[in-house]
Amino acid sequence: DIVLTQSPDSLAVSLGERATISCKSRQSIFDSSNNRDYLAWYQQRPGQPPRLLIYWASTRESGVPDRFSGSGSGTDFTLTISSLQAEDVAVYYCHQYYGTPYTFGQGTRLEIK
Amino acid sequence: EVQLVESGGGLVQPGGSLRLSCAASGFFVSSNYMSWVRQAPGKGLEWVSLIYSGGNKFSSDSVKGRFTISRDNSRNTLYLQMNSLTPEDTAVYYCARGVGWNGRVHFDYWGQGALVTVSS
Repeated sequence: DIVLTQSPDSLAVSLGERATISCKSRQSIFDSSNNRDYLAWYQQRPGQPPRLLIYWASTRESGVPDRFSGSGSGTDFTLTISSLQAEDVAVYYCHQYYGTPYTFGQGTRLEIK
Repeated sequence: EVQLVESGGGLVQPGGSLRLSCAASGFFVSSNYMSWVRQAPGKGLEWVSLIYSGGNKFSSDSVKGRFTISRDNSRNTLYLQMNSLTPEDTAVYYCARGVGWNGRVHFDYWGQGALVTVSS
C-alpha cells in the first residue's frame, strides 16, 4: 500500500495569513507516460462530507477559491492557503489514486490562531 | 445537479449484516466510477470499495470477502452489502463519484454519509 504522511497534524494560523500543509508519499505517484501526479486534496468541515479542492496535485476543482493551491510532484506535495479565511477551519486530507488500494493521509486540522 | 443520498445505516450486532444504498441523481452511476469511503468516529478517511463503469470491482483488504459493492442501473443506485460485521467496521460510510480513467480516480461528489454502528 502507498502510505501518505501529512504534516503537521494540526496547525493554527491567523486570519489573512498563509497556511501550508505537507503530504509525503513513501513511493512516487507520478506517471511519466502522461506527466500526471495522482494526488488530490480534500477539505472536511465539521459534520460535513469531504469536499474536493485539488486533483492531479495542482488542478483546482471548479468553484474552489483561488487562495487554495497545490504543488509538488513525485513523493512530496503541498497544499497552500494563501490568505486564511474563517470558513477554512477544517481538516484537510491528501489522497493518492495512483493505484488501489487508494489511501489517504491521516489529516491535518487547521484552526484560527 | 449532482446528488448522492445514502441510506440503510443503523445499529447491528457483531456478525450481522447490513446493506447500504446510495441513490444518485444528476448523472448515471452506470457511466461512472463509484466508490465507498468510510470514516470511523473521530478518525480519518479509509477507502473501502470501487466499481468501474464496466463492472470491475475492487475492495480494500480489510473488507475483502465480507463487503460487496454493486449497483442497480434501473434505480440509479449504488449498494454496499456488508456481512460478518465487527466493531471495527463502525463508521460513517460515504458514497462518492470517481473521476478519471484506468481506475485512477479522485472523488468529485460525496454523499452526506450513513452511520453504521456495530455493537452488542
